[in-house]
Amino acid sequence: AQSVTQLDSQVPVFEEAPVELRCNYSSSVSVYLFWYVQYPNQGLQLLLKYLSGSTLVKGINGFEAEFNKSQTSFHLRKPSVHISDTAEYFCAVSEANAGKSTFGDGTTLTVKP
Amino acid sequence: DAGITQSPRHKVTETGTPVTLRCHQTENHRYMYWYRQDPGHGLRLIHYSYGVKDTDKGEVSDGYSVSRSKTEDFLLTLESATSSQTSVYFCAISESTVTSGRISSYNEQFFGPGTRLTVL
Repeated sequence: AQSVTQLDSQVPVFEEAPVELRCNYSSSVSVYLFWYVQYPNQGLQLLLKYLSGSTLVKGINGFEAEFNKSQTSFHLRKPSVHISDTAEYFCAVSEANAGKSTFGDGTTLTVKP
Repeated sequence: DAGITQSPRHKVTETGTPVTLRCHQTENHRYMYWYRQDPGHGLRLIHYSYGVKDTDKGEVSDGYSVSRSKTEDFLLTLESATSSQTSVYFCAISESTVTSGRISSYNEQFFGPGTRLTVL
């Protein structure tokens, strides 16, 4: 069975600093990986996804993530954050042919001025 | 934005009463999902559907039932609501490619705005 661990529940960072949100997964088969963002009182929206091909994936709002199969990780990075990046971020994994995803518990990113 | 609506958006009910939440999509996507979101638990899958009248359980299905009689609608029912079912409920949709009965690709999910349910 697939599982996801987001290693940090809260990440405080100052504006314009770099940030990394960590995600590890567990699965015995091929996986698809996703990062979603949730702003207050809203649903989730996709930041980026890895389905196949290049292990470095670029998403919206300047975010990127790298798929590392040997370490079963999919960490999210941004070189310079803005106040508007304050939100909750969810990592999700889907096993090939599963048709459903498992979500991590979320990481709250707080960007301070 | 993907066309997904949820109704009601807010509901307060009493323990023991039945509650039905509705998810409606205009995207004609095959897959539909119901999640609950609670602090510290992320999103947990309740039930999902991979076609009309085709549904399956998720990790927290006890106390919930679902129905999908049309592609566009996916209903979540709490037969007898309990305080532990107080939560924010999200519907999501996804399109996947199915070839010879097997899923050959899987795409991201699109989420509705959520329903905040309080059971007193």
